[in-house]
Amino acid sequence: GESVGLHLPTLSVQEGDNSIINCAYSNSASDYFIWYKQESGKGPQFIIDIRSNMDKRQGQRVTVLLNKTVKHLSLQIAATQPGDSAVYFCAELPGYSSASKIIFGSGTRLSIRP
Amino acid sequence: NAGVTQTPKFQVLKTGQSMTLQCAQDMNHEYMSWYRQDPGMGLRLIHYSVGAGITDQGEVPNGYNVSRSTTEDFPLRLLSAAPSQTSVYFCASSYRRSNTEAFFGQGTRLTVV
Repeated sequence: GESVGLHLPTLSVQEGDNSIINCAYSNSASDYFIWYKQESGKGPQFIIDIRSNMDKRQGQRVTVLLNKTVKHLSLQIAATQPGDSAVYFCAELPGYSSASKIIFGSGTRLSIRP
Repeated sequence: NAGVTQTPKFQVLKTGQSMTLQCAQDMNHEYMSWYRQDPGMGLRLIHYSVGAGITDQGEVPNGYNVSRSTTEDFPLRLLSAAPSQTSVYFCASSYRRSNTEAFFGQGTRLTVV
């Protein structure tokens, strides 16, 4: 939605730099951790996921890191572009569940400086 | 391929009115869900369905009903609208075999006055 995220933390990054978006989670029993991207006026879009038995997974220009010791998840975006401007949500899949029951965390707004 | 289609895009209701938010998907997905999105609170799961004829409650089900008579459609009914239900509503669908990738509609912005 267009007006959600009025109280979201914001990360401002220079175009071309790398972005790191952080997330703390609470449920140690989650089987998967996920990142979604939401552009203004659109629904969330899947970016990448990581299973709980992994600590790193790479995609195209994105890397997700999982630190289970401190319950921390991060999304790294390489060479940030204007099209990366969006709200980013971390999410988790509780236990052995399906994508019908994804639990979303609060988001971070990423803005790109030209 | 239309994906997930939600109607209407915008709606204003008076307190106490009822209405149905429509959601349809053409990807033959088994799983469908409804979320609401409020400022600063991310998305919260209202109801979900793992197949035709099967529905269950999510985190915030009170005040909402759902049904799943076909694979394609998953309508969300507001029985008696309240100002606290002012929000943006998203419908999502996913494959049975996909644990984490849900496909979302464009959302319905609902205002209850």
